[in-house]
Amino acid sequence: GIQVEQSPPDLILQEGANSTLRCNFSDSVNNLQWFHQNPWGQLINLFYIPSGTKQNGRLSATTVATERYSLLYISSSQTTDSGVYFCAVNSGNTPLVFGKGTRLSVIA
Amino acid sequence: KAGVTQTPRYLIKTRGQQVTLSCSPISGHRSVSWYQQTPGQGLQFLFEYFSETQRNKGNFPGRFSGRQFSNSRSEMNVSTLELGDSALYLCASSLATSDNTGELFFGEGSRLTVL
Repeated sequence: GIQVEQSPPDLILQEGANSTLRCNFSDSVNNLQWFHQNPWGQLINLFYIPSGTKQNGRLSATTVATERYSLLYISSSQTTDSGVYFCAVNSGNTPLVFGKGTRLSVIA
Repeated sequence: KAGVTQTPRYLIKTRGQQVTLSCSPISGHRSVSWYQQTPGQGLQFLFEYFSETQRNKGNFPGRFSGRQFSNSRSEMNVSTLELGDSALYLCASSLATSDNTGELFFGEGSRLTVL
């Protein structure tokens, strides 16, 4: 099955800093999602981005499907950005496969 | 538009008991997927139901089962609970088609503790 690797596993930032999270996947996909898991455990949808670039406020994402990777950019980070960020992929109607996540801590 | 609703949010059981978790998908969504999240294993796929049929199944023992009703609501059941079943159980729904899972939207989860 598809393998998903996220890096870095942990990231500590000062408030206001920018960051880039990476997601590599082992096979072609037609679905890629980025999630933020809040402290209560809910997975919040950030982007549905099988290819191309999208932006939503301070967050943006780029997926280069031909090279099998996706990047999540967080600019001007805030303490509320803290949490775990997951990348998940699948193809067709197969199950969504998750990476192990990047744990982000933003310090005031 | 209401999101995915999971009940109960928290529950405590003892070894050997069974548990049933419920998931109401977003209106119009025909697919419901279940995931187990533990600190050691991360997010692992349990099963997916599409139009009342189990379409995909993860690598879990037969103690884990599920079903989907005609209104797309889904339940999962775990029988003969073990300590290792303690986890956050997450349900997701999507506007899936027969050949595409679509974008998944998750509920707040049911946190199960087995003593």
